Amino acid sequence: ETGVTQTPRHLVMGMTNKKSLKCEQHLGHNAMYWYKQSAKKPLELMFVYSLEERVENNSVPSRFSPECPNSSHLFLHLHTLQPEDSALYLCASSQSNSGNTIYFGEGSWLTVV
Amino acid sequence: SQELEQSPQSLIVQEGKNLTINCTSSKTLYGLYWYKQKYGEGLIFLMMLQKGGEEKSHEKITAKLDEKKQQSSLHITASQPSHAGIYLCGADIRGAQKLVFGQGTRLTINP
Repeated sequence: ETGVTQTPRHLVMGMTNKKSLKCEQHLGHNAMYWYKQSAKKPLELMFVYSLEERVENNSVPSRFSPECPNSSHLFLHLHTLQPEDSALYLCASSQSNSGNTIYFGEGSWLTVV
Repeated sequence: SQELEQSPQSLIVQEGKNLTINCTSSKTLYGLYWYKQKYGEGLIFLMMLQKGGEEKSHEKITAKLDEKKQQSSLHITASQPSHAGIYLCGADIRGAQKLVFGQGTRLTINP
């Protein structure tokens, strides 16, 4: 238990569906992150929110839409995804200043059919 | 080429043996993080190194950051089946808490 909870753990969706991934942290952190882990590729940073403002959008397609309503919650809204978007999506949190430990959730396995 | 290279990509060792995993950056590191991951699960934080020459240990795992802050090694002494998994190094190369990751090292421990 890392203090970062992701739901759902597994999601199967069609290319025309709209779904969302949810992340909640109980660590009092002020920065939250979405990472993507695909087979045979390193973990890729997608989005960073610091103090509820998006400070990084790492050239992610617009079919992925993040939302950070408060410092404890982070969403990733998904629509019209492609099969190549199938991956493990990992949420993380930390204090925003450099040198603080970054804690990860268990991940959400996404399969696009 | 990647900003962060891990070696080896996979490693099979006999239980009880020592092993080392390396992580090399093309840029100076503001922080170097080691994580362990079981397949399909989240990352478990092991250690973070910031200062050149720094060394940290947790149980039988020791991590070092070299003086120039561009390379780190993770050493496991007397390996056990519980050490099996994927070891990932993550680097803060911009001083902004935005980590880039190596491709991981898959460790198998044979009884």
